[in-house]
Amino acid sequence: AQSVTQLGSHVSVSEGALVLLRCNYSSSVPPYLFWYVQYPNQGLQLLLKYTSAATLVKGINGFEAEFKKSETSFHLTKPSAHMSDAAEYFCAVSEGTGNQFYFGTGTSLTVIP
Amino acid sequence: DGGITQSPKYLFRKEGQNVTLSCEQNLNHDAMYWYRQDPGQGLRLIYYSQIVNDFQKGDIAEGYSVSREKKESFPLTVTSAQKNPTAFYLCASTSGASGANVLTFGAGSRLTVL
Repeated sequence: AQSVTQLGSHVSVSEGALVLLRCNYSSSVPPYLFWYVQYPNQGLQLLLKYTSAATLVKGINGFEAEFKKSETSFHLTKPSAHMSDAAEYFCAVSEGTGNQFYFGTGTSLTVIP
Repeated sequence: DGGITQSPKYLFRKEGQNVTLSCEQNLNHDAMYWYRQDPGQGLRLIYYSQIVNDFQKGDIAEGYSVSREKKESFPLTVTSAQKNPTAFYLCASTSGASGANVLTFGAGSRLTVL
C-alpha cells in the first residue's frame, strides 16, 4: 500500500525566507505525486503535480518540487515566502490506475512578518 | 464555472441523528470521493465511486453511507452509528481512471455534534 510522510506538522518562516516542506512516499510502482494547499475552512487546491516527465516541477504562486526517486522524496520549495503563503499543505500520491489517492498528514506553514 | 458544490457549509447534529451532506459536481467527472479531515490526521478516505450505481468503502467507512444514483451527485449520510462524527468533510472528483488525474475539491462541510 502507498503511504506518504510529511516531516514537520508545523513550519514557520520569515517573510522573504526560503520555504521547504518535506514529503517522502512509499510506493512499489512509479507514483504520481501532488502538492495541494488548503486555506482555512476551504477545500484543497492543486499547487503542482509530478507525472513522470521532468523531475523538477513548477507550480502556481512560485512553488516548485523536485522528484528524487533514490530518496523517495518530493519536497516543496519556494525561494521567498510571502504572507499569503500561510496555509496548510498536503502531499499526495497515487498509483497508475484505480484512482486511489493517499494523503500525508499535512504541514501548517506560518509566515512571520 | 465548473466545480463542486457542497452543502451545507456548517451543520449541527444531535447525538443519535442521521445527517446527509450534499455533493454536486458539474465537471462531468466520473469518479467522486468523500474524505474526512481531522486536525493532525490529514485526509482519510470514507467512500469513493468510479461510476454511477457503484461505490467502494475507503479506510473509515464504518458509520457512513453513500449513494451514486446520478453522475453529478454523491451524497454522504453520517449515521448514528458513527461515534465521533465531528469533523470537516470534503468531497472531491476526478475524471477518468488514471492516477495522474487531479482531484478537484469542494469547499467542505463542517459537522458538529452537540
